[in-house]
Amino acid sequence: GEDVEQSLFLSVREGDSSVINCTYTDSSSTYLYWYKQEPGAGLQLLTYIFSNMDMKQDQRLTVLLNKKDKHLSLRIADTQTGDSAIYFCAEPGANNLFFGTGTRLTVIP
Amino acid sequence: GAVVSQHPSWVICKSGTSVKIECRSLDFQATTMFWYRQFPKQSLMLMATSNEGSKATYEQGVEKDKFLINHASLTLSTLTVTSAHPEDSSFYICSARDPSRGGGYEQFFGPGTRLTVL
Repeated sequence: GEDVEQSLFLSVREGDSSVINCTYTDSSSTYLYWYKQEPGAGLQLLTYIFSNMDMKQDQRLTVLLNKKDKHLSLRIADTQTGDSAIYFCAEPGANNLFFGTGTRLTVIP
Repeated sequence: GAVVSQHPSWVICKSGTSVKIECRSLDFQATTMFWYRQFPKQSLMLMATSNEGSKATYEQGVEKDKFLINHASLTLSTLTVTSAHPEDSSFYICSARDPSRGGGYEQFFGPGTRLTVL
């Protein structure tokens, strides 16, 4: 399967920006996804980016894609305590999504 | 739109019993549904992919006789954990793919089912 990697933990202060990074392996991926998982809950699709884009902005979220380096990042502006969660990046396989290990974001009040 | 429900949200059972978990796509038709297992502080582990009307495809290392999957309709898939043992205790999450969105790869997730086997 694909190997999608993320750092495991990130702590930021409330109001600061958070940047969550992800590296993926399949350069032919057409879409790349970011999911959020709050404690004890399923995954919620946050946003996705099409491979022919370098950047996508959606309110406080900015996704940057570097296809050459196979690097994807999610920036959360003005991070709030409600943003504390695990964030997964994912890339499509033949029939499925391959998820990264997840980054646990902790927002310090 | 694109809501997926799971039932039950949590279940406690005795060792040796069977437990059925339902996954429903409420407002779209899901030709493909996925079952994941998540251990504490770990990522999702794909167990199987189920297509409506056909047998599920299990990932390597997942016992198909222990984790029975049925995808009888375009809105319902079930996972039955047969003869459950304490090591089966986990968080089980289903997802459904809506082929009309996100290039067809986008998956919508249920809220998960916490299974505890005593």
